[in-house]
Parts: sequence; structure tokens; C-alpha cells
Amino acid sequence: SYVLTQPPSVSVAPGKTARITCGGDTIGRKSVHWYQQKPGQAPVVVIYYDYDRPSGIPERFSGSNSENMATLTISRVEAGDEADYYCQVWDSSSYHWVFGGGTKLTVL
Amino acid sequence: EVQLVESGGGLVQPGGSLRLSCTASGFTFSDQYMDWVRQAPGKGLEWVGRSRNKANAYITEYAASLKGRVTISRDDSGNSLYLRLISLQTDDTAVYYCVKERAASTFEIWGQGTMVTVSS
Repeated sequence: SYVLTQPPSVSVAPGKTARITCGGDTIGRKSVHWYQQKPGQAPVVVIYYDYDRPSGIPERFSGSNSENMATLTISRVEAGDEADYYCQVWDSSSYHWVFGGGTKLTVL
Repeated sequence: EVQLVESGGGLVQPGGSLRLSCTASGFTFSDQYMDWVRQAPGKGLEWVGRSRNKANAYITEYAASLKGRVTISRDDSGNSLYLRLISLQTDDTAVYYCVKERAASTFEIWGQGTMVTVSS
């Protein structure tokens, strides 16, 4: 089965740039979606189709995807960005949605 | 307003079964792919399964780890999605989310979730 690998945690100071990676075999050939989940809340999509941003998501959130790594980049990080972030792809070989293990973003 | 409301969670004994419901509003339910996702306490997101829409023959797809125990069904006339899970074990304890896909892709709308606890 297809596996997505995320770092368990990323820490960043306010105002700096956070990069959260999502590794997978030839993930660059798939569409990657990213979700933000704050404690006690349902996830919210922040990036879809690798780099598109839903309405209401700040421009500070961006995405990229190439070869074996997708990246969620959060610029000018704010305290309110502290959350768990998950990447997701559709594995067409198994007809499964797959989530990464999640990354806890801590704003120092 | 687009909304998904889950119900049916609670305490279930090991070996028992659960049936969760999700009532949708604010969009044309019959046109949408719908999913269930669960999250064990302190853990990550786990996809449970999906129901495609009428145009795609209501095909269902399930996580391999749950296959044989899980059934997803829907009632388009009642704008409802259902999840049935049998032979429950303690590691089925989780918040179960109902999710609407956007154009058969990203998970656009999530319900608030319903908690299921499997314990004797």
C-alpha cells in the first residue's frame, strides 16, 4: 500500500517560514491535498491539487510537489497557525485515500 | 449553509457493532462522493471508506484494514450517509467524521465528528 511520510513535528518562530514535508514514492505524479487540524476541531483543507488555495485561506499558505516530496510552506508564521497538518493523496492502484501521519507545527 | 451532522456515536462493547449516520444539507447530496474518516484519540487521520455518487453507480471503496467489517451506504432521498462497522475492538475507538469530497477529489467539508468508544 502507498505510504506518505511526514515529520512528527516542526517548530518555527513567529514571523519565520515553516516547511512541512510529505514524502512518497513518485508523489510528484499525484495530486496532494493538505489539511490543518486544530485541537478539538475537524480538519480544514488549506491546499488542494498541490498548490491551490481554497477561498479564505491566507496567501501565506502555499504548496509544491515534485518527484518524491510534497511541501506545505507557511510564510510569516503566526501563533494561530499552530496545529496538526496532514497530507493526502489518492492511490489509484489500490483505490484508497491515504493520509500522512501528520505533523505538529509548534510556534515558538 | 453546507453542513454535515453525524450521529450515532457512544459506548459499544467489544464484539459489538455500530451504525453511524450523517445528515447533509446545503448541497445536492446525490451528486457528491462522500467519505468516512476516523481519528483515534491522540492519533492521525485514517480513511475508512467512500461512497461514490449515483452517476458512478454508488460504488463503495474501503480501507484494506477494515474490509470485511465495514459497510457504507447512503439514502439520497434523505440526504444521508451511513457507516456500519461490525466486530468492534478497542482500537476502533475514535472520532468518526463524515466528509464531502469536492469534485471527487479533496475533502472539502467535514462534519463535527461523533465519538465511538469501544469498551467493556
